[in-house]
Amino acid sequence: EVQLLESGGGLVQPGGSLRLSCAASGFTFSSYAMTWVRQAPGKGLEWVSVIHSGDSAASYADSVRGRFTISRDNSKNTVFLQMNSLRADDTALYYCVKILGYCRGGSCYFDYWGQGALVTVSS
Amino acid sequence: QSVLTQPPSVSAAPGQKVTISCSGSSSNIGSSDVSWYQQLPGTTPKLLIYDNIKRPSGIPDRFSASKSGASATLGITGLQTGDEADYYCGAWDNSLSVFVFGAGTTVTVL
Repeated sequence: EVQLLESGGGLVQPGGSLRLSCAASGFTFSSYAMTWVRQAPGKGLEWVSVIHSGDSAASYADSVRGRFTISRDNSKNTVFLQMNSLRADDTALYYCVKILGYCRGGSCYFDYWGQGALVTVSS
Repeated sequence: QSVLTQPPSVSAAPGQKVTISCSGSSSNIGSSDVSWYQQLPGTTPKLLIYDNIKRPSGIPDRFSASKSGASATLGITGLQTGDEADYYCGAWDNSLSVFVFGAGTTVTVL
């Protein structure tokens, strides 16, 4: 059974930093791309970042590029999201998601979702 | 403003059919495969359709989808109260190298 368990969320002041972790199990972690998707309270889904398998190449949404960094540790089956220079509009539930398919080939599907980690940016 | 355009809401009576459109461009839907996600109230999103038309195991065949050019459509037949949810389309954008979601469509069963 695929499981994705996020941790590291919390309350942070504007300009602060947080590091989210996502521990994965139930599949061969190193073989799959992983992504983060966020959802602000009462709003829709917003894609944040992806890290591909193999070369661990990453892509980011414009809204977080230069502030967030995604990484992975295949030896620990864990993906991370380092969030710096946080702003109020980064407040959201952050989902860790496993990818089915090959995004760079145009086949990018999000088949398993974690329960989410809540990040609140407020003074 | 979302890159993919969906209607904010659709509604129909129980047993009826609804369709949700998702309009994009040649750099996303026009050249990538579309997926659809269902988010029931207070729950985590779930993959409903992938590879434009395929249903994961466990998704009933009341849910179907199609794609033509830079647009895609999700259809729900035999509408049930349990189908009340937000539905999102998504696709990889090959020009921007990012994933894009639609803003979501709320389905209401009258």
